[in-house]
Amino acid sequence: AQSVTQLGSHVSVSEGALVLLRCNYSSSVPPYLFWYVQYPNQGLQLLLKYTSAATLVKGINGFEAEFKKSETSFHLTKPSAHMSDAAEYFCAVTRNNFGNEKLTFGTGTRLTIIP
Amino acid sequence: DTGVSQDPRHKITKRGQNVTFRCDPISEHNRLYWYRQTLGQGPEFLTYFQNEAQLEKSRLLSDRFSAERPKGSFSTLEIQRTEQGDSAMYLCASSFGTELLSNPLHFGNGTRLTVT
Repeated sequence: AQSVTQLGSHVSVSEGALVLLRCNYSSSVPPYLFWYVQYPNQGLQLLLKYTSAATLVKGINGFEAEFKKSETSFHLTKPSAHMSDAAEYFCAVTRNNFGNEKLTFGTGTRLTIIP
Repeated sequence: DTGVSQDPRHKITKRGQNVTFRCDPISEHNRLYWYRQTLGQGPEFLTYFQNEAQLEKSRLLSDRFSAERPKGSFSTLEIQRTEQGDSAMYLCASSFGTELLSNPLHFGNGTRLTVT
């Protein structure tokens, strides 16, 4: 079974500072990995996904994530935080083969931006 | 693309009552998923459909829960004899095709259930 662990349920950064949200995965087969963002009272929105084509993945709103197999990690970063980045972020995993098409989510990290 | 629509947005019910939620996926999407999200947790998979066929159900989905997707269009999730532990946000998502990598999930805004 696949799973993801998000370290830090709450992260606070100053506006303009680096954002780093951590995600480690566990999977017996090559995984597909995703980051989703959830703004208050809204559904989840896809930020980026790991396709195995490139280890550094760029997403929307200036976010990117790097797949590191040796560390079983897929951390999300953004060089300069903006107030509008305040939200909850979820890492998710699914198996990299046909037939098990559901996402398993982490517990989420709430990002607060300090003005 | 009008997005995934869920109704109602909020539902307050008394313990023991039955409730039904509706999800309208994006029109051409053949896959439809239900997730449950409790406070402080990530979404937990409940079940999913491909067209009208229910392909997988989580062990979280007790006998009191039933989901349908007649004609492969909208879906309903019914909870019978609600319990306080059922209080959560129920999320619906849809996708086109059979591979999540190529066809990511699109989520609705959810139905928040409160059981008193």
